[in-house]
Amino acid sequence: DAGVIQSPRHEVTEMGQEVTLRCKPISGHNSLFWYRQTMMRGLELLIYFNNNVPIDDSGMPEDRFSAKMPNASFSTLKIQPSEPRDSAVYFCASSLGTGWFTEAFFGQGTRLTVV
Amino acid sequence: KQEVTQIPAALSVPEGENLVLNCSFTDSAIYNLQWFRQDPGKGLTSLLLIQSSQREQTSGRLNASLDKSSGRSTLYIAASQPGDSATYLCAVMEDNAGNMLTFGGGTRLMVKP
Repeated sequence: DAGVIQSPRHEVTEMGQEVTLRCKPISGHNSLFWYRQTMMRGLELLIYFNNNVPIDDSGMPEDRFSAKMPNASFSTLKIQPSEPRDSAVYFCASSLGTGWFTEAFFGQGTRLTVV
Repeated sequence: KQEVTQIPAALSVPEGENLVLNCSFTDSAIYNLQWFRQDPGKGLTSLLLIQSSQREQTSGRLNASLDKSSGRSTLYIAASQPGDSATYLCAVMEDNAGNMLTFGGGTRLMVKP
């Protein structure tokens, strides 16, 4: 398996524009996570899906952020409108099952710059 | 709320030294603890996963220990090499929060030739 695949790797956009980040989890994994990493706050969980259903979106910073998982092999994170403070690296991760042996695998991330 | 702390935040050692990275967490109700490596501009690579019932895990020159009752884990790197230079992150998976991981702030390691 190619691992968790994210696109684009880099995104530069102007303030106010809509940004869509994409993620393909590892085939067969039933949990998907979106994280954001900044120097100031480290890695923060934004939203978590289990079997394509959003379970916890308490980390989504505000209504400008939305995430969908229309099927088991694809998820999007959308920011509309984008702001400079949204600049960060966004990671997608996936895992299988739940419990002691559950291991999370991360994509390479999307580096977002909002100017 | 679970809090994960890593000490030190940065570490610089000469090549060949054995070193220990520390991770502490406040809530011991965890399924497991994972150690990750992150190279600059890259994603996270899983190094070791220790289940809550285990005391340690080994992979090559890496050995991770877990003391769940005291909320501590260590990552031991033997005979460090310049290629080990990276940021090391620990994360805990709580047993009452689905599969979500809570991360520490990381330790930035530099191994000098």
